[in-house]
Amino acid sequence: TQLLEQSPQFLSIQEGENLTVYCNSSSVFSSLQWYRQEPGEGPVLLVTVVTGGEVKKLKRLTFQFGDARKDSSLHITAAQPGDTGLYLCAGDFDSNAGNMLTFGGGTRLMVKP
Amino acid sequence: SQTIHQWPATLVQPVGSPLSLECTVEGTSNPNLYWYRQAAGRGLQLLFYSVGIGQISSEVPQNLSASRPQDRQFILSSKKLLLSDSGFYLCAWRGASYEQYFGPGTRLTVT
Repeated sequence: TQLLEQSPQFLSIQEGENLTVYCNSSSVFSSLQWYRQEPGEGPVLLVTVVTGGEVKKLKRLTFQFGDARKDSSLHITAAQPGDTGLYLCAGDFDSNAGNMLTFGGGTRLMVKP
Repeated sequence: SQTIHQWPATLVQPVGSPLSLECTVEGTSNPNLYWYRQAAGRGLQLLFYSVGIGQISSEVPQNLSASRPQDRQFILSSKKLLLSDSGFYLCAWRGASYEQYFGPGTRLTVT
């Protein structure tokens, strides 16, 4: 069974602070995605990373893919209340041929004004 | 552009009653389709996926079944609901880079 561990599970910070969320596995990913989910809605894709060492930026969000393609991080700079939500990482493992994604347990982020 | 629909949005059903949730995708052909269940505030559990009409793979043995009668239609069913079937059910289709795009979800409460 391929597992994908996310940490921390919960994070409560003040507006303006920085934070990092981690996503780790013992298996190699073909690709990895990050999603954000609002309560009562489906997850929305933020980014896909496919190359080891890749860094992508989306406004105040920075996504990094580990060199060995076994881990990833999401860093938010100067968090805002609008960043509040559930952040999910999902990996497409080499052995799955793109048919399935394995999701992490999620990080629930609350940004207080 | 592609869109994905799910209905109903919410459902309250008694234990032992049947279930049918429907998902349809527009703007793409022969997509991979997925059913997930999500416990409150947690990650997604893959229930079923389908790579084509009539082709269903089950990831978790349970009280549920899935069918794909048409290319862009995916149905989740149960003959007799259990309390443990309560949750948020999400349908998704797979994009070209293996990312997935989700529907708005169905909140199921079994009483």
